[in-house]
Amino acid sequence: DAGVIQSPRHEVTEMGQEVTLRCKPISGHNSLFWYRQTMMRGLELLIYFNNNVPIDDSGMPEDRFSAKMPNASFSTLKIQPSEPRDSAVYFCASGSGGSYLGETQYFGPGTRLLVL
Amino acid sequence: DQQVKQNSPSLSVQEGRISILNCDYTNSMFDYFLWYKKYPAEGPTFLISISSIKDKNEDGRFTVFLNKSAKHLSLHIVPSQPGDSAVYFCAAVREGAQKLVFGQGTRLTINP
Repeated sequence: DAGVIQSPRHEVTEMGQEVTLRCKPISGHNSLFWYRQTMMRGLELLIYFNNNVPIDDSGMPEDRFSAKMPNASFSTLKIQPSEPRDSAVYFCASGSGGSYLGETQYFGPGTRLLVL
Repeated sequence: DQQVKQNSPSLSVQEGRISILNCDYTNSMFDYFLWYKKYPAEGPTFLISISSIKDKNEDGRFTVFLNKSAKHLSLHIVPSQPGDSAVYFCAAVREGAQKLVFGQGTRLTINP
């Protein structure tokens, strides 16, 4: 398996523009997680899905952020409009779900976003 | 409100010596703890974990210690190798939950 695939790997955009980040989880995994990494706060969970259904979006910063998972093999994280403070590395991770004990999450390589 | 804290942003250790990375947490509901390792331009990868019913878990050169009364865990790497140079994140979760709470990370540099 190729692992979790994220695109684009790098994104530079101007303030006010829409940004869409994409993720393909590992085949067979039924949980998908979106994280944001910043120097100050480390890795923060933004939202996660079980069986394509959003379970917890309490980490989504504000209404400018939205995430979808239309099927088991694809998810998007959209920022509209983008702001300079959104600059960070965004990771997607997938897992096999169920009880957490013993589970691990498999992370993609991340998308480095810079909003000018 | 940072429920999981790694107070040392960086640590430098000589090759062959012991590396000790520390992590503190505030939420007593956490009962499972994990360490992830991250190389540049890659996503974090799972390293080792420990349940709250234990105080120590060992896997090769890596040992995690948990002190529940102090709400503190540590990762020991011995002996340290150059390939251990990476950012290490500790994370915590409640049993049955899937929501990992991560610390800020500690950048470990192993010097030859």
